[in-house]
Amino acid sequence: QQQVKQSPQSLIVQKGGIPIINCAYENTAFDYFPWYQQFPGKGPALLIAIRPDVSEKKEGRFTISFNKSAKQFSLHIMDSQPGDSATYFCAASNNAGNMLTFGGGTRLMVKP
Amino acid sequence: NAGVMQNPRHLVRRRGQEARLRCSPMKGHSHVYWYRQLPEEGLKFMVYLQKENIIDESGMPKERFSAEFPKEGPSILRIQQVVRGDSAAYFCASSTLPISGPNNEQFFGPGTRLTVL
Repeated sequence: QQQVKQSPQSLIVQKGGIPIINCAYENTAFDYFPWYQQFPGKGPALLIAIRPDVSEKKEGRFTISFNKSAKQFSLHIMDSQPGDSATYFCAASNNAGNMLTFGGGTRLMVKP
Repeated sequence: NAGVMQNPRHLVRRRGQEARLRCSPMKGHSHVYWYRQLPEEGLKFMVYLQKENIIDESGMPKERFSAEFPKEGPSILRIQQVVRGDSAAYFCASSTLPISGPNNEQFFGPGTRLTVL
């Protein structure tokens, strides 16, 4: 019930491409869905987050699409750059707010 | 405003020794969360603390692991009698409110990488 499934595990795109990372959840009590970016040797940093009252949120080159009925959400990175190469994690939390449940991560490589 | 600070950044212990990991939350943050990350995996929640209180320890192993967040000083994650399977990166995060509140975010520290020989 607490699991968040993330795909793909790894992704390679050319510079300027639009990588898409998908996540699915089971727990209908989840109401907060952030995406984190992690570089090697560093802690995760929040990129963008969404709540289920909207279907899409955009911040700069990053967009979250949210499908409440399908219990799925995805991250799109527009005009990807080599500097975007990192591991991306989706996460979810319920209104108890005690913890984030993370997906398994996607290792993104953007080739020049 | 300094971010979340963790020390040490790297810790090597032999089997059976104790490991103490420290976390200083961001200034003004009174909620601390500990997560563990195994190689090539996502982060797994361990424990959630407020000052002097453990709020949720549902992710903590029942034995050898303990956590505290005293009134003064950093939060401490303590692992007694370490085993090789404890080797992982341990991340601390802090927030001003429980993350279900509006405009809230968990800020993560750089992590402590524990290696058990």
